[in-house]
Amino acid sequence: GENVEQHPSTLSVQEGDSAVIKCTYSDSASNYFPWYKQELGKRPQLIIDIRSNVGEKKDQRIAVTLNKTAKHFSLHITETQPEDSAVYFCAAGYSTLTFGKGTMLLVSP
Amino acid sequence: DVKVTQSSRYLVKRTGEKVFLECVQDMDHENMFWYRQDPGLGLRLIYFSYDVKMKEKGDIPEGYSVSREKKERFSLILESASTNQTSMYLCASNPGSTNEKLFFGSGTQLSVL
Repeated sequence: GENVEQHPSTLSVQEGDSAVIKCTYSDSASNYFPWYKQELGKRPQLIIDIRSNVGEKKDQRIAVTLNKTAKHFSLHITETQPEDSAVYFCAAGYSTLTFGKGTMLLVSP
Repeated sequence: DVKVTQSSRYLVKRTGEKVFLECVQDMDHENMFWYRQDPGLGLRLIYFSYDVKMKEKGDIPEGYSVSREKKERFSLILESASTNQTSMYLCASNPGSTNEKLFFGSGTQLSVL
């Protein structure tokens, strides 16, 4: 089955800095790569996703890049704000999703 | 907006009890999923269902079963609860295509004593 590795497990940045979270996956059949944000005590919410026919996707301060050859994808957050503080999960799959273990992002004012 | 409702936010059960976790979605979604979330382990898929009365094992089905008698309702059953099943359980749903946004419930924190 699919195996998703996510790094780093924790990430601390200053407000205004950029943050990058990286994931690798093992199954070349995977064609869907979403990112979920989970604030403390809340349910996970989709923030951005990318499909295998696209190399990059951007939505305001958030972007995701995908390298299918190397089997890795990354989340980029620019101009971070304290409200970006949360746990972020990457996932990969083609029928069901396999999630990474999560990255706790802390943005300090 | 899609609503996925889990019947209990917190649940405390004893070892050996039979436990039912209920999930209801109101958007006529075909697919429903049960995940468990543990610190440092992310979300792991227990069972999923693509249709009424249909179920498929996920990555960690041992010790669990599910029931989907109606399209909107997906139940997770712990036949004989054990302490290692103490966890946060998240239900999710999405429309017919499997590669779609997952809508999560707010979760049930289950403690097995």
